[in-house]
Amino acid sequence: GQNIDQPTEMTATEGAIVQINCTYQTSGFNGLFWYQQHAGEAPTFLSYNVLDGLEEKGRFSSFLSRSKGYSYLLLKELQMKDSASYLCAPYNAGNMLTFGGGTRLMVKP
Amino acid sequence: EAQVTQNPRYLITVTGKKLTVTCSQNMNHEYMSWYRQDPGLGLRQIYYSMNVEVTDKGDVPEGYKVSRKEKRNFPLILESPSPNQTSLYFCASSPNNEKLFFGSGTQLSVL
Repeated sequence: GQNIDQPTEMTATEGAIVQINCTYQTSGFNGLFWYQQHAGEAPTFLSYNVLDGLEEKGRFSSFLSRSKGYSYLLLKELQMKDSASYLCAPYNAGNMLTFGGGTRLMVKP
Repeated sequence: EAQVTQNPRYLITVTGKKLTVTCSQNMNHEYMSWYRQDPGLGLRQIYYSMNVEVTDKGDVPEGYKVSRKEKRNFPLILESPSPNQTSLYFCASSPNNEKLFFGSGTQLSVL
């Protein structure tokens, strides 16, 4: 099985930087996804990390440490539209993608 | 337009009345999957399919059936729905078992 831990809720201010952490325990780890999900909508792909390190994609960056079972999603220059849930999802060798409960981010003016 | 199409978007039914939620993708993806999403529990995988005529159980398969007779379609069947299957359901497909493309979701209520 897989254990995935991420904060339930976070609040940040427009224009600020926020880091959403995710720790996981899984067998046969292949990589880790981050998805964004606005209320009532389908999840949309943000990033996929296979190797250790930081991958930057515009205002969003994702970091992975395979040895520590740890990842984070970094959101810069926060905008109101970034208010959403962010789902951490480890992917294992058994072709299983398992989602964490998600972190609900609220961006305030 | 490349997309995953689920129908219906909303469904209210009664206990025991068989129903099918359809899912179709036009991207020629081999991998397809069904998830349910419940408050506090996140997305949980019900069934997945690696290719035509190949299906496997996910984390919560009880009470559900699927079929994959052709690559583009992956219907979810509830033979005898119960109230604990009230949930938001998502179908997804992928070209390489990795990045998922999700449908718009089906909100199911079983009374």
